[in-house]
Amino acid sequence: QQQVKQSPQSLIVQKGGISIINCAYENTAFDYFPWYQQFPGKGPALLIAIRPDVSEKKEGRFTISFNKSAKQFSLHIMDSQPGDSATYFCAAGTQMKYIFGTGTRLKVLA
Amino acid sequence: SAVISQKPSRDICQRGTSLTIQCQVDSQVTMMFWYRQQPGQSLTLIATANQGSEATYESGFVIDKFPISRPNLTFSTLTVSNMSPEDSSIYLCSVEVGMNTEAFFGQGTRLTVV
Repeated sequence: QQQVKQSPQSLIVQKGGISIINCAYENTAFDYFPWYQQFPGKGPALLIAIRPDVSEKKEGRFTISFNKSAKQFSLHIMDSQPGDSATYFCAAGTQMKYIFGTGTRLKVLA
Repeated sequence: SAVISQKPSRDICQRGTSLTIQCQVDSQVTMMFWYRQQPGQSLTLIATANQGSEATYESGFVIDKFPISRPNLTFSTLTVSNMSPEDSSIYLCSVEVGMNTEAFFGQGTRLTVV
């Protein structure tokens, strides 16, 4: 009940394309769903987050879609750029205690 | 946001020894957390560092192996005790900032045990 399943494990996208990463959670008590971006040798950086009272949140080229009934949420990166090449982690939790997904290594081709 | 400084940034240690990792935040924060990221893996919460009381450990992590101090609202330490090669990981400090309960991470400490 504490798992967060993330897919795909790796993703290759052409510059300008859309990158989509999916996550599924099990614990219905989770009330905060952040996405983190991590570059090699760096700590994870908060990208965007959503709470279950909304179905979508958009910040620039990044959008989270949230489906509470299905217990799924996804990250969409529009107009993907080579600088977006990084590992992305979804997370789910409550009261600041997060379960992280296994990560998606994104490569955007120039 | 918050500026989180971790020291050391990396270290190579002999098995059987201990290493203390420091986490300094540029503002007072209520919640501080320690995570472990094993090579090529995701992040796993080790414990919550509570100011003025003992840390709260997650399943699979114990105080004797990972003692934590939290002397004030801007600082915490994590000690990795009696290290073995299996402890080779990145150890990350995380803090909660603001009303939105956003969590921010330090750069991490890359530990290699030989």
